[in-house]
Amino acid sequence: AQSVTQLDSQVPVFEEAPVELRCNYSSSVSVYLFWYVQYPNQGLQLLLKYLSGSTLVESINGFEAEFNKSQTSFHLRKPSVHISDTAEYFCAVSENTGFQKLVFGTGTRLLVSP
Amino acid sequence: NAGVTQTPKFQVLKTGQSMTLQCAQDMNHNSMYWYRQDPGMGLRLIYYSASEGTTDKGEVPNGYNVSRLNKREFSLRLESAAPSQTSVYFCASSERDRRPLHFGNGTRLTVT
Repeated sequence: AQSVTQLDSQVPVFEEAPVELRCNYSSSVSVYLFWYVQYPNQGLQLLLKYLSGSTLVESINGFEAEFNKSQTSFHLRKPSVHISDTAEYFCAVSENTGFQKLVFGTGTRLLVSP
Repeated sequence: NAGVTQTPKFQVLKTGQSMTLQCAQDMNHNSMYWYRQDPGMGLRLIYYSASEGTTDKGEVPNGYNVSRLNKREFSLRLESAAPSQTSVYFCASSERDRRPLHFGNGTRLTVT
């Protein structure tokens, strides 16, 4: 069965600084990978996804993630963060067999301060 | 455009009480899911319904039952609540298999 590890439970960063949120996964078959974002008192929203093709995927608000099969990683990056990026970020994996059942990591809280 | 609507938003139960969490989506999605979110554990899948008329167990189904009432609605029932079921419950839906999930805003349940 697949699993996801997000090593950093919290990442503090100053506004306009770059950030990387780490995600590693484990699976014996090929996978689909996702990043979801959760703002306070809300449900999760899809940020970006990797299904196939280009290993670098981008979101509309400046985040990007790169699928690295050899490292089994899908780290999320942004070159310059804003205060509004403060949220919890979840990495998720789904095996490419059977019905899609997402397995989520434990989340990383991004805290952006002025 | 409501998306995924969950009711209630908050609930406090005593141990042994029962209740049903309601979820409805207005996006004509085929698949629906129930997750629970606990601190330090991320989200864990309780049950899912790949399509109307089918339900299957997820990672943590014990103590729960579900009903896919129709294409729009997917309810989660706790027959005899336990303190270990204190959590935030999220319903989600997707157009079909392998499509992004759309989440509701959650139900915060406390069992005393």
